[in-house]
Amino acid sequence: KQEVTQIPAALSVPEGENLVLNCSFTDSAIYNLQWFRQDPGKGLTSLLLIQSSQREQTSGRLNASLDKSSGRSTLYIAASQPGDSATYLCAAQRSNDYKLSFGAGTTVTVRA
Amino acid sequence: EAGVVQSPRYKIIEKKQPVAFWCNPISGHNTLYWYRQNLGQGPELLIRYENEEAVDDSQLPKDRFSAERLKGVDSTLKIQPAELGDSAVYLCASGDRRGLIYEQYFGPGTRLTVT
Repeated sequence: KQEVTQIPAALSVPEGENLVLNCSFTDSAIYNLQWFRQDPGKGLTSLLLIQSSQREQTSGRLNASLDKSSGRSTLYIAASQPGDSATYLCAAQRSNDYKLSFGAGTTVTVRA
Repeated sequence: EAGVVQSPRYKIIEKKQPVAFWCNPISGHNTLYWYRQNLGQGPELLIRYENEEAVDDSQLPKDRFSAERLKGVDSTLKIQPAELGDSAVYLCASGDRRGLIYEQYFGPGTRLTVT
């Protein structure tokens, strides 16, 4: 069974600082790794999806890397803003399967 | 384009009472998912539909949970009777398959509190 872990569970940084969020998974036989954002009282919004053949994906200030061999993915958010405050979850999709295994998330607070 | 719609957004019930959640997926999406998200945890899949067929309900506690997706569009998830441990956020997602990528778009969820 795929186990997905996110450390730390919570993070508080001053505005402008770069954020580094970690995600680890136990089964390297994944097809892709996704990062989601969840705001309080709202559903999940997909931020980035990295296919297993890729090493990283970028969207604006967000960059996500994937290292299947070590079972790790990292989400970088450059020059954080208060609007980045949310919970960030990673999810691994099993190869040839639709199921997503989610981590518990990292709750980020960016202080103005 | 409208997103996934869920109702109600919040529900408080006493234990042993029944409760139902409704989901309207994004138009054209054949696949519909129901997830449960406990406080401080990631979502866990309860059931997945392809059109009106439940293709994976292995994680659905069938003694008290039931779901239906009539006509392959809207879906309802029911709990009867509810227990204290059912307090959670119930998320609905819909999506399509793009190659081997199963895209999922999530609704805002229904927060259930069982007292």
